[in-house]
Amino acid sequence: AQTVTQSQPEMSVQEAETVTLSCTYDTSENNYYLFWYKQPPSRQMILVIRQEAYKQQNATENRFSVNFQKAAKSFSLKISDSQLGDTAMYFCAFMKSTGNQFYFGTGTSLTVIP
Amino acid sequence: NAGVTQTPKFQVLKTGQSMTLQCAQDMNHNSMYWYRQDPGMGLRLIYYSASEGTTDKGEVPNGYNVSRLNKREFSLRLESAAPSQTSVYFCASSRRVVGPGELFFGEGSRLTVL
Repeated sequence: AQTVTQSQPEMSVQEAETVTLSCTYDTSENNYYLFWYKQPPSRQMILVIRQEAYKQQNATENRFSVNFQKAAKSFSLKISDSQLGDTAMYFCAFMKSTGNQFYFGTGTSLTVIP
Repeated sequence: NAGVTQTPKFQVLKTGQSMTLQCAQDMNHNSMYWYRQDPGMGLRLIYYSASEGTTDKGEVPNGYNVSRLNKREFSLRLESAAPSQTSVYFCASSRRVVGPGELFFGEGSRLTVL
């Protein structure tokens, strides 16, 4: 079975600063996909960024980037120039390349302080 | 753009009552999912349907049944509700034909079982 661990239940960051959210996972698969999802107070989950395990280059989406360390099974999310709208719960997720199931971590609640 | 629509958004049940959560997507996605979200536990998969006509158990299927009525609709039924089923339920869908299928979520349904 696949497990996803987010060891930081809560974090805070000053507006305009940079914050990194941690995620580790456990799998015996070689090919898989990793995702970060954001859940704002409105509850609607939206995709922030995704990474394919076979790609060595770290994914970036505007102010969001990942540090993907395949050997260490680590997939952290860096948010640069934090904005008040980044306040949300962030979930790390894993999916096997051959499967249909998404496995989620327990989430990190991020608060951006003005 | 409707995306994933789930109803009802809120429901209060008494122990032993039954109810069905409805979910429909208009994106022609193959795969559909039901998750429950509980504090400190992240999202846990209840059931999923990889394609029309198939359903499979996830991590926490006990006490639930599902029906993939057609490609658009995937319902979740609680036959005899229990207080342990108090949770927020999310329906999601994914194209998942080739490559990492992004999950698209509904807005969630908050269920309270008294």
